[in-house]
Amino acid sequence: GQQLNQSPQSMFIQEGEDVSMNCTSSSIFNTWLWYKQDPGEGPVLLIALYKAGELTSNGRLTAQFGITRKDSFLNISASIPSDVGIYFCAGQSAGTYKYIFGTGTRLKVLA
Amino acid sequence: KAGVTQTPRYLIKTRGQQVTLSCSPISGHRSVSWYQQTPGQGLQFLFEYFSETQRNKGNFPGRFSGRQFSNSRSEMNVSTLELGDSALYLCASSLWGGEGEKLFFGSGTQLSVL
Repeated sequence: GQQLNQSPQSMFIQEGEDVSMNCTSSSIFNTWLWYKQDPGEGPVLLIALYKAGELTSNGRLTAQFGITRKDSFLNISASIPSDVGIYFCAGQSAGTYKYIFGTGTRLKVLA
Repeated sequence: KAGVTQTPRYLIKTRGQQVTLSCSPISGHRSVSWYQQTPGQGLQFLFEYFSETQRNKGNFPGRFSGRQFSNSRSEMNVSTLELGDSALYLCASSLWGGEGEKLFFGSGTQLSVL
């Protein structure tokens, strides 16, 4: 099935460190969504992006819609233990009514 | 406002059986989509419904089907279950806001096929 390239695949970081992850696509998207998923639960929406170049924050999280419309970035500042989980990006092309998801970034925070 | 509700939460079936999963969207949301999540394939789009009409369908065999009712609730059905159908099935509802669409997921139905 279709998946977006998301990197890094996993990362261990120390509490208090900043984290960066990104998603790339071969297609142009008009919407990028970022999610966090805990084990056995559904993904929870973190940030939504709709315009190329857009930069949006949600607390310690900041995401950007790439200017080429083929990539997006998520940054987490001053990580805390509860940031542990899997982060997914999702992109949608205009008029398709479906989202393509990234392969996920598994984040582990060492206290 | 209640979130997306999926039932049942867990399901165990045997090969050859069929299964029906249910999804109640967030009140006011008219679009419902379904995704299959497995460790190997990640999150894969199954289909999307809006006002009881399927607007898009993913690359899954015809054994996977869905429908949406007039109250926006949705069901998906998998017939002749195979071992490979074991997965977390996620339902999402969405609403277009001022700038664009936001997709909200339920907790999923964990299906195990034995």
